[in-house]
Amino acid sequence: DTAVSQTPKYLVTQMGNDKSIKCEQNLGHDTMYWYKQDSKKFLKIMFSYNNKELIINETVPNRFSPKSPDKAHLNLHINSLELGDSAVYFCASSQGDGNQPQHFGDGTRLSIL
Amino acid sequence: SQQGEEDPQALSIQEGENATMNCSYKTSINNLQWYRQNSGRGLVHLILIRSNEREKHSGRLRVTLDTSKKSSSLLITASRAADTASYFCATGSNAGNMLTFGGGTRLMVKP
Repeated sequence: DTAVSQTPKYLVTQMGNDKSIKCEQNLGHDTMYWYKQDSKKFLKIMFSYNNKELIINETVPNRFSPKSPDKAHLNLHINSLELGDSAVYFCASSQGDGNQPQHFGDGTRLSIL
Repeated sequence: SQQGEEDPQALSIQEGENATMNCSYKTSINNLQWYRQNSGRGLVHLILIRSNEREKHSGRLRVTLDTSKKSSSLLITASRAADTASYFCATGSNAGNMLTFGGGTRLMVKP
């Protein structure tokens, strides 16, 4: 069974649209993350939630809004998509703080036309 | 700038050879972790070494940490074609709230 699952795997959409990416983990972890990986493979943290509470909000445009309905889910909603949002977005989870090993989903490849 | 930077950016070796990747970082750390990413997949945690440890082994993996030089190395012995992937180092801060990833080393192991 997949430990961290993201949907959709691929997302192709027009500039200006609003889209959501869903993430669920079945590991019982209490901390979840969203990362953005650019075309050069550089991975940058966007958000971190611990027990449904926002812990980290890096310098991310406010067009990006995470939502954690419960500690097993962390969804990412993006408004008014821009060309520069094209990337692979990864969800991850860990037990405890950000120093623990993280488990990653397989990513959502977002392409803006 | 990135906290962790891997060197080399790309490495190509023959099956059976050893592969060594290096990671340098800038600030004090709580621990350093290595991850593997296969093409089109998420990152997979390989090994964690704490700031008070100098060396750690896991199967064919050997990790060293030199906090005085702010550097770490990952050695994969007797490489296999299946080891072909990107390898990332990530540092954990003493604040304990996040990992900071380097840009990765792309390893190709030729059969």
